Amino acid sequence: KAGVTQTPRYLIKTRGQQVTLSCSPISGHRSVSWYQQTPGQGLQFLFEYFSETQRNKGNFPGRFSGRQFSNSRSEMNVSTLELGDSALYLCASKPSAENNEQFFGPGTRLTVL
Amino acid sequence: GNSVTQMEGPVTLSEEAFLTINCTYTATGYPSLFWYVQYPGEGLQLLLKATKADDKGSNKGFEATYRKETTSFHLEKGSVQVSDSAVYFCALVRNDNNDMRFGAGTRLTVKP
Repeated sequence: KAGVTQTPRYLIKTRGQQVTLSCSPISGHRSVSWYQQTPGQGLQFLFEYFSETQRNKGNFPGRFSGRQFSNSRSEMNVSTLELGDSALYLCASKPSAENNEQFFGPGTRLTVL
Repeated sequence: GNSVTQMEGPVTLSEEAFLTINCTYTATGYPSLFWYVQYPGEGLQLLLKATKADDKGSNKGFEATYRKETTSFHLEKGSVQVSDSAVYFCALVRNDNNDMRFGAGTRLTVKP
């Protein structure tokens, strides 16, 4: 079974731009979560989607949004980028909302200049 | 709220040394506990988990026991290898809300 895939792997943007990151979960997994990883703040939960609905949301501003499609693929969008948004964005999937074992993708490294 | 505290790194050991990375947690309810490992340039990989008190998770020579009385889930390995060099994250998730919280991570370097 293929693992969680994320595209692109690396991205460079400038302040004020917006960006969309993509995540394809493991086949059959219906829950997708997003995390931001930075040296200063560590791993922080952004949001979780299940069956195209957002189930949980972390403490991030409204510039961070996401969605999930009927095939369970997910995208996250960050608008009006700030320097502090530079981070590794990790996606994780799991078979169901109740299952608590997550499988992580390799991440997208976003650099904001 | 729920949180995880793990020992600060970096930790540097010689090959075949004994490893302990401490992890303690604060949680309401009954969380499941995890250790994840992150190799350079990669995402997180689940190393082991425990879902209830006194459970012992083990994998690849690593072990951790869910201790409710001390709210701890310390990671141990009897003999580390150079290939164990990575960042290790302790994490918890409450079983009633799927809100996963991670520790700050501990960087381990094993020298030959």
